[in-house]
Amino acid sequence: DGGITQSPKYLFRKEGQNVTLSCEQNLNHDAMYWYRQDPGQGLRLIYYSQIVNDFQKGDIAEGYSVSREKKESFPLTVTSAQKNPTAFYLCASSPASGSLTDTQYFGPGTRLTVL
Amino acid sequence: DAKTTQPPSMDCAEGRAANLPCNHSTISGNEYVYWYRQIHSQGPQYIIHGLKNNETNEMASLIITEDRKSSTLILPHATLRDTAVYYCIVRVYSGGGADGLTFGKGTHLIIQP
Repeated sequence: DGGITQSPKYLFRKEGQNVTLSCEQNLNHDAMYWYRQDPGQGLRLIYYSQIVNDFQKGDIAEGYSVSREKKESFPLTVTSAQKNPTAFYLCASSPASGSLTDTQYFGPGTRLTVL
Repeated sequence: DAKTTQPPSMDCAEGRAANLPCNHSTISGNEYVYWYRQIHSQGPQYIIHGLKNNETNEMASLIITEDRKSSTLILPHATLRDTAVYYCIVRVYSGGGADGLTFGKGTHLIIQP
């Protein structure tokens, strides 16, 4: 998991509430990513950010929002508009040097359960 | 749309070499093959990547066929801790310095004692 931390590991919320998941990295990486994983499935990209104050939608951005005010931090907010928020959420970062050999490193994940 | 095909599961005896296949018949000339693994309820871990030459590091070896349409990840001496889901990923390079990885369902490798 290197220098990427996600907190908390488990999170419970009531339906209709917004919830923010934390992701912090001390790897001095420029790019950060959020993925969602459902049981028995691969990861799907929600949002990514190449640089501070900039971010792009991934494949499943609806119902989510992000911010990138600091290089080290990329919090994800799961809004009430997300129809099926219960999932395992993974944050990643990469140097984003523009090279094809760039490697993404993942955090330990946050398991969100909406009751 | 996953660009790779992997068997859903495989078994391997502890101490033996685990050979995990991956088909990527539509791979482009500038696309790399990446391998990650995910132990249950943890974040994926990078293993290795390659373009066309075989690669080896402290974790594994990657063998890519000459036509680049398939590859094999080799764990030379599998241990119980190697039990995980292994993902073969073809890297779609956006040219912008950052892009997401496309994960399929991977291969669930089970190391038997």
